[in-house]
Amino acid sequence: AQSVAQPEDQVNVAEGNPLTVKCTYSVSGNPYLFWYVQYPNRGLQFLLKYITGDNLVKGSYGFEAEFNKSQTSFHLKKPSALVSDSALYFCAVRSINDYKLSFGAGTTVTVRA
Amino acid sequence: EAGVVQSPRYKIIEKKQPVAFWCNPISGHNTLYWYLQNLGQGPELLIRYENEEAVDDSQLPKDRFSAERLKGVDSTLKIQPAELGDSAVYLCASSLPGSEQFFGPGTRLTVL
Repeated sequence: AQSVAQPEDQVNVAEGNPLTVKCTYSVSGNPYLFWYVQYPNRGLQFLLKYITGDNLVKGSYGFEAEFNKSQTSFHLKKPSALVSDSALYFCAVRSINDYKLSFGAGTTVTVRA
Repeated sequence: EAGVVQSPRYKIIEKKQPVAFWCNPISGHNTLYWYLQNLGQGPELLIRYENEEAVDDSQLPKDRFSAERLKGVDSTLKIQPAELGDSAVYLCASSLPGSEQFFGPGTRLTVL
């Protein structure tokens, strides 16, 4: 079975500071990893994905994520957070052989001015 | 390019009543998904379509839930009869084969 853990329910940072949202996963075989963001009363918005290749993946709105196979992690990062980055962030995983996407419980990010 | 469209955005019904949700995927996306998202949780897959065929409905509670995707484009998810525990957000997503999924805004269902 595949699963995702987002160990922090909430992350609070000051605007301009670096932001990290943690994600670890469990899957059979090689993973496909994704980050989505959800704003209030909105659907999930795709940020970035790791399929293969470079372990550092760059995505939308200045976000990036680093795939670490040995630690089975895929942490989301942004060098300088904005107040507008305040939202709910979901990490998701699936195996290369299955379309079923498993989501973490989400991490609420609050960026204070 | 238009995104995934869902309607209605909000629905309030009394328990035991039927309810239906509609989804129009991104043009050209053959794969369509329905998810259930409870408050404070990540989405959980209910059913996945490849064109008209439901290829994974193992998580769909078939005693009260049904779905269809006629002509391989739009899809409808129905609950009959609705129960209090069905209150949640129902998300539709679509994708190209094997690619990332794009989500609609969801339908927030409240069952009284």
